[in-house]
Amino acid sequence: QVQLVESGGGVVQPGRSLRLSCTASGFSFSSYGMHWVRQAPGKGLEWVAVIWYDGTNRYYIDSVKGRFTISRDNSKNTLYLQMNSLRPEDTAVYYCARDLTVGGTNGWFDYWGQGILVTVSS
Amino acid sequence: QSALTQPRSVSGSPGQSVTISCTGSASDVGAYNYVSWYQQHPGKAPKLLIYDVNKRPSGVPDRFSGSKSGITASLTISGLQAEDEADYYCCSYTGSFGWVFGGGTTLTVL
Repeated sequence: QVQLVESGGGVVQPGRSLRLSCTASGFSFSSYGMHWVRQAPGKGLEWVAVIWYDGTNRYYIDSVKGRFTISRDNSKNTLYLQMNSLRPEDTAVYYCARDLTVGGTNGWFDYWGQGILVTVSS
Repeated sequence: QSALTQPRSVSGSPGQSVTISCTGSASDVGAYNYVSWYQQHPGKAPKLLIYDVNKRPSGVPDRFSGSKSGITASLTISGLQAEDEADYYCCSYTGSFGWVFGGGTTLTVL
């Protein structure tokens, strides 16, 4: 069965960095686009970033451009989110999510990880 | 990109139907059929209910249906059940490879 497991979260001071990982299993990871979606405590969902199935294209929400980098290692079935210059407003549960469309990216998130909490605080 | 507009809360009795609206703009909901809906129970990850405006993934009951007219998408839940009590989010493509969610709607089953 499809599984996505995030790791790497925790408490970090403003301005510091953190790298999240999302390990995939149960499907052909290299055939699917992957996304990061976050949810601040008590708030709604916010799309953060996407990476094409082959890593050739990456896009971000404006608020993280230049600070966050999404990447993937298809040989390790792992998705990453490198987060630099973290701000208190980045505090959220971060989910990795698979795009439903094989070989495409339509923003239909059919499988989600359990989420990992990132807290940015001094 | 502003969040899509959803009602904060809706409610209904078991067996009834409820509809949740999701209003965007001509640049997102009105421009593309890349609209999806998600159900989220407290402390859990979201679950895909509807994609491509009105398609259901396998395993999602046909009590859940989606539609779109102009800049407004809608999710209808018929035959309400206690387990439908959850938060619901719509999501739309915004162009230039970006996506935006609605603010979320809390469904209470009376």
